[in-house]
Amino acid sequence: GQSLEQPSEVTAVEGAIVQINCTYQTSGFYGLSWYQQHDGGAPTFLSYNALDGLEETGRFSSFLSRSDSYGYLLLQELQMKDSASYFCAVRAEGRNTGFQKLVFGTGTRLLVSP
Amino acid sequence: DGGITQSPKYLFRKEGQNVTLSCEQNLNHDAMYWYRQDPGQGLRLIYYSQIVNDFQKGDIAEGYSVSREKKESFPLTVTSAQKNPTAFYLCASSTYRGAISGANVLTFGAGSRLTVL
Repeated sequence: GQSLEQPSEVTAVEGAIVQINCTYQTSGFYGLSWYQQHDGGAPTFLSYNALDGLEETGRFSSFLSRSDSYGYLLLQELQMKDSASYFCAVRAEGRNTGFQKLVFGTGTRLLVSP
Repeated sequence: DGGITQSPKYLFRKEGQNVTLSCEQNLNHDAMYWYRQDPGQGLRLIYYSQIVNDFQKGDIAEGYSVSREKKESFPLTVTSAQKNPTAFYLCASSTYRGAISGANVLTFGAGSRLTVL
């Protein structure tokens, strides 16, 4: 099976930098993704890491260490609109061999204050 | 604009009733998924479909049923056998069916919130 652990809540102020960690356990690893979800809204894709290292997309960066089964999402220059829940997700083998499904963590609620 | 449409946005049901949640996409995506989200929790996979006329159980399929008669549509029925159906239901789709490399990027609908009275 698969399991992912994230902190339940993180708080920060506008303009700051925050890191959201994710540790995972999975049989067969195909990549780590991050999704953002505002309250009552739909999750939206942020980033994906298949290999070790840092991927940067604007103010957001994502890091992966496969040897440590660990990744993080780094948010810089925080804005009020970044207040949302952030989910890490791993690709896992589905019941049909060859079909990868996404398994999500429980999410980290980020609260950005003025 | 392409996207996924879920309806209804809010639904109330009496115990013992079946309800069907609609999911339509015009993204020409092959794969479609249904996830359930409970407060403060992550998304759990109910059913998924790679192609028309084929679907597979996810991690929490008991009490749910689906059909995939058209590429664009993947309705979910919450049956009376589902013991705790009150939740936020999210439909998603992706172009991506099973290759090893590359991100499996899911596009989500806005969700349907089901409350059992």
